[in-house]
Amino acid sequence: TQLLEQSPQFLSIQEGENLTVYCNSSSVFSSLQWYRQEPGEGPVLLVTVVTGGEVKKLKRLTFQFGDARKDSSLHITAAQPGDTGLYLCAGAVRGAQKLVFGQGTRLTINP
Amino acid sequence: NAGVTQTPKFRVLKTGQSMTLLCAQDMNHEYMYWYRQDPGMGLRLIHYSVGEGTTAKGEVPDGYNVSRLKKQNFLLGLESAAPSQTSVYFCASSFMSNQPQHFGDGTRLSIL
Repeated sequence: TQLLEQSPQFLSIQEGENLTVYCNSSSVFSSLQWYRQEPGEGPVLLVTVVTGGEVKKLKRLTFQFGDARKDSSLHITAAQPGDTGLYLCAGAVRGAQKLVFGQGTRLTINP
Repeated sequence: NAGVTQTPKFRVLKTGQSMTLLCAQDMNHEYMYWYRQDPGMGLRLIHYSVGEGTTAKGEVPDGYNVSRLKKQNFLLGLESAAPSQTSVYFCASSFMSNQPQHFGDGTRLSIL
């Protein structure tokens, strides 16, 4: 059974600070996706990383896929209240019919 | 752009009652999924479908049944609701199993 461990589970910081969220596994994934979920809504895809070592940037958000494709990180620079939400990572295993989701990191950015 | 539509958005049931949650997608996706989301538990997969007429069990299938009679619709049924099934239910769809999933906005279900 593949598992994705996200850390931290909860994070509350002040506006303007930087933060990193981690997504770790002992399994190898063919790709890894990051989603953000806001209250009352379903998760929405932020980015997909496919290649080991890949780095993708989305404005102030930087996503990295580990060289061995077993882990990923999300770094937010100068966090803003609009970044508040639940961040989920999800891994795709070759040949599997479903994604493996992490348990999520609930991020709160205080003004 | 409807995407994935879930109905109803809210529902309160009494223990033992039955109901069906409907998910409809207009993206011609093959794969559809039902998840439940509880505080601190992330998303847990209930059942999924890899195409019209197919269904498969996920991580927490007990107490639920599903049907995929049409490609665009995926129904989740609770035959005899229990308080432990109080949760937020999300439907999702994707073109292929390793591709990003598109989620509906959820159904908030309370079982009294």
